[in-house]
Amino acid sequence: AQTVTQSQPEMSVQEAETVTLSCTYDTSESNYYLFWYKQPPSRQMILVIRQEAYKQQNATENRFSVNFQKAAKSFSLKISDSQLGDTAMYFCAFMKPEINAGGTSYGKLTFGQGTILTVHP
Amino acid sequence: DTAVSQTPKYLVTQMGNDKSIKCEQNLGHDTMYWYKQDSKKFLKIMFSYNNKELIINETVPNRFSPKSPDKAHLNLHINSLELGDSAVYFCASSQDLRTSYQETQYFGPGTRLLVL
Repeated sequence: AQTVTQSQPEMSVQEAETVTLSCTYDTSESNYYLFWYKQPPSRQMILVIRQEAYKQQNATENRFSVNFQKAAKSFSLKISDSQLGDTAMYFCAFMKPEINAGGTSYGKLTFGQGTILTVHP
Repeated sequence: DTAVSQTPKYLVTQMGNDKSIKCEQNLGHDTMYWYKQDSKKFLKIMFSYNNKELIINETVPNRFSPKSPDKAHLNLHINSLELGDSAVYFCASSQDLRTSYQETQYFGPGTRLLVL
């Protein structure tokens, strides 16, 4: 079974600074997908960024970027120019093709434990 | 305009009762999911449906019965509620089952269930 580990239960950063959230995962697969989701106090799960394992180039989305190290099975999230609205719980997630008992291929997200990020003014 | 919606947002009930949570997506997606987030914020998949057909049941007790009247709706019915069922339940959807392992899943706002 795949596992996803986020070793930082809580992080804090000053507004406008940069912070990096860590994530490691364990898999023997070569074809998989990685995601970072954000859960603000409103509870909504919002996709921040995604990375395909076959792509060597790190994904970026505005102030958010990842450092994907496939050999090390590491997928960290860097938030630049942190804003108060970035305060949230951040979840790293892993997905690969699965097969059910009937032989149907499907995907399911396996989440890490989450990291609470607080941005201070 | 809400892509994935859930009702109700909050549900407080007594042990032993039966309750339902509804989910609707207007994204035209074929595949829908239920996830449970426990008190420690850990998220785990419960079910996946594709176009009204059950794809996965992640060893969820049979007190939980998902129902999909059409591909845009996936409801979760829970019988004989127990204290341990208290959690936030999230519905999600993705476009196509055949490529669901590589697709982004879009989540609803969650339903907080409290069993007293």
